[in-house]
Amino acid sequence: GDSVTQTEGLVTLTEGLPVMLNCTYQTIYSNPFLFWYVQHLNESPRLLLKSFTDNKRTEHQGFHATLHKSSSSFHLQKSSAQLSDSALYYCALRDNTNTGKLTFGDGTVLTVKP
Amino acid sequence: EAAVTQSPRNKVAVTGGKVTLSCNQTNNHNNMYWYRQDTGHGLRLIHYSYGAGSTEKGDIPDGYKASRPSQENFSLILELATPSQTSVYFCASGVTGTSYEQYFGPGTRLTVL
Repeated sequence: GDSVTQTEGLVTLTEGLPVMLNCTYQTIYSNPFLFWYVQHLNESPRLLLKSFTDNKRTEHQGFHATLHKSSSSFHLQKSSAQLSDSALYYCALRDNTNTGKLTFGDGTVLTVKP
Repeated sequence: EAAVTQSPRNKVAVTGGKVTLSCNQTNNHNNMYWYRQDTGHGLRLIHYSYGAGSTEKGDIPDGYKASRPSQENFSLILELATPSQTSVYFCASGVTGTSYEQYFGPGTRLTVL
């Protein structure tokens, strides 16, 4: 079945440094739909950005990601981390049926320090 | 903004007891989902529904039942709660089509003693 791998469980950065959170996926389907969700402390997950277009950069709220089918990757990046970026980030892969089911990675906790 | 509510927000139950977690959405979304969130495991799908009267097993359905009596309501039922079911449970709703975005409720923290 589908799977999503986020290699870093915890990332700690100093404010102002670039952010890169890794996400790779496995699926038998040729048209994957990938998402990044963000969950701040004591809140629920919410959509950050999404993509189903190969090699096209998608951006939202200062973050960006590019789906690369050749490497099955959808890494999340930001040029300069802010304290408010501290949160739990999930990469997710949509099921190829009409159910809209998502397979989530284990998540990466990003902590940004002053 | 999509609206998904859950009740109760916190629940303490005893082992072997019955627990019902409720979810309501006012988005008129066809699809609804129940997840549990545990450190190191991310969000795991327990049950989902694609319309009133339907329920489907997700990835970890054992020990859980679900009920979708209406478009708006989706319940998760633990008939015989166990300590291993201590977790945070999230309900979500979503639509199919080009978006496929899921909107999450605030979560229910369940502790089974």
